[in-house]
Amino acid sequence: AQKITQTQPGMFVQEKEAVTLDCTYDTSDPSYGLFWYKQPSSGEMIFLIYQGSYDQQNATEGRYSLNFQKARKSANLVISASQLGDSAMYFCAMRGIDDYKLSFGAGTTVTVRA
Amino acid sequence: DTGVSQDPRHKITKRGQNVTFRCDPISEHNRLYWYRQTLGQGPEFLTYFQNEAQLEKSRLLSDRFSAERPKGSFSTLEIQRTEQGDSAMYLCASSAGTAGNQPQHFGDGTRLSIL
Repeated sequence: AQKITQTQPGMFVQEKEAVTLDCTYDTSDPSYGLFWYKQPSSGEMIFLIYQGSYDQQNATEGRYSLNFQKARKSANLVISASQLGDSAMYFCAMRGIDDYKLSFGAGTTVTVRA
Repeated sequence: DTGVSQDPRHKITKRGQNVTFRCDPISEHNRLYWYRQTLGQGPEFLTYFQNEAQLEKSRLLSDRFSAERPKGSFSTLEIQRTEQGDSAMYLCASSAGTAGNQPQHFGDGTRLSIL
């Protein structure tokens, strides 16, 4: 079984600044994938970025980057140059090697201030 | 690519009634998932289809819940004899291929409110 922990229920960030969202996980699977999703107030879940457990480099996707520290079992999301449209709930999720379902954390609400 | 479509967006019903939700996945995706999300929480897995076969069901899926995916295309999720605790957002997602890095793409969800 996989467990995802997001300890920051809410964060405020100034526009154009960077913000780091914490995610730690626990699994016994030797191989797994980590995902981040954004959920605006309208409700849709938007896929942002993926990190494989055996990937040598940290994933990046535009203004999103993943700070993956395998030994610490953490996969923090960094959003650079925050924009007002980044205000949303952010979920960290993982999937084991033989698993298809995603296990989600409780999420972190990000509010970007002008 | 028209995205995952869910219908209806909102459903309000009285306790004890039956409800059915529909999900149309991205056309080339062979995998389809249902999740339930309560307020302030992350989504929780309910069930998963590969083509028309239902391969996994969560313990959250009581015998009042049933899901189908006839012909491996759209899927329906039915809740019989609804209870107050069924109030939640029901999310459908789909994905392609067998590679573990394939992300699941979600629909906008169906928000169920039980009176």
